[in-house]
Amino acid sequence: QSALTQPASVSGSPGQSITISCTGASSDIGGYNFVSWYQQHPGKAPRLMIYDVNNRPSGVSDRFSGSKSGNTASLTISGLQTEDEAHYYCSSYTDINNLEVVFGGGTKVTVL
Amino acid sequence: EVQLVQSGAEVKKPGESLKIACKGSEYGFSSYWIGWVRRVPGKDLEWMGIIYPGDSDTRYSPSFQGHVTFSVDKSVSTAYLQWSSLKASDTAIYYCARRGMTIFGVAEYFYDFWGQGTLVTVSS
Repeated sequence: QSALTQPASVSGSPGQSITISCTGASSDIGGYNFVSWYQQHPGKAPRLMIYDVNNRPSGVSDRFSGSKSGNTASLTISGLQTEDEAHYYCSSYTDINNLEVVFGGGTKVTVL
Repeated sequence: EVQLVQSGAEVKKPGESLKIACKGSEYGFSSYWIGWVRRVPGKDLEWMGIIYPGDSDTRYSPSFQGHVTFSVDKSVSTAYLQWSSLKASDTAIYYCARRGMTIFGVAEYFYDFWGQGTLVTVSS
């Protein structure tokens, strides 16, 4: 069982918006604004898309946005494009078990 | 452009030792923490721990403490992950990643650049 819970898959048509949820606990997402999101295409390195809940690194399209409410964080992709088809992982700082970071199980985004 | 380039895939037998590498370039290698993340096939990403190349300060996840060792060689901007005795359960892809930092030099809890991953297969 993942430390953070994500849906296994989400799909949408080109141009649509989709949202991926990431549910944790008060010891991670709910207690800190250190949520990040990563995109990974098959065989490629993960790529940082969002950090500190809702910040985009330089070079990431503004079609990607992040938010948080309580113990759940969300990644929204607007104007879905074929190149957005990939796995997406959430991550959060955690204050338990002498860990620093926990990850979600990943969500496969399919562009129909 | 910042890059982390990892060493190639390895096939080992149980009980053998292994050291894989992660070479950083185009940034101040000594000033950024390097993290290691594991993905066992079909399972989640797992945070293994971090090392600060500047002084080799190291923090391990309890799940990996005692079974792996992180090290660095600043002279060649390379971080290493090593095992003294591999198990079949160590079969996984291992990623190194650079820990993000604020403009004020404070380490963050995200990883802004990642290596391409090293596949380690342990099988008799």
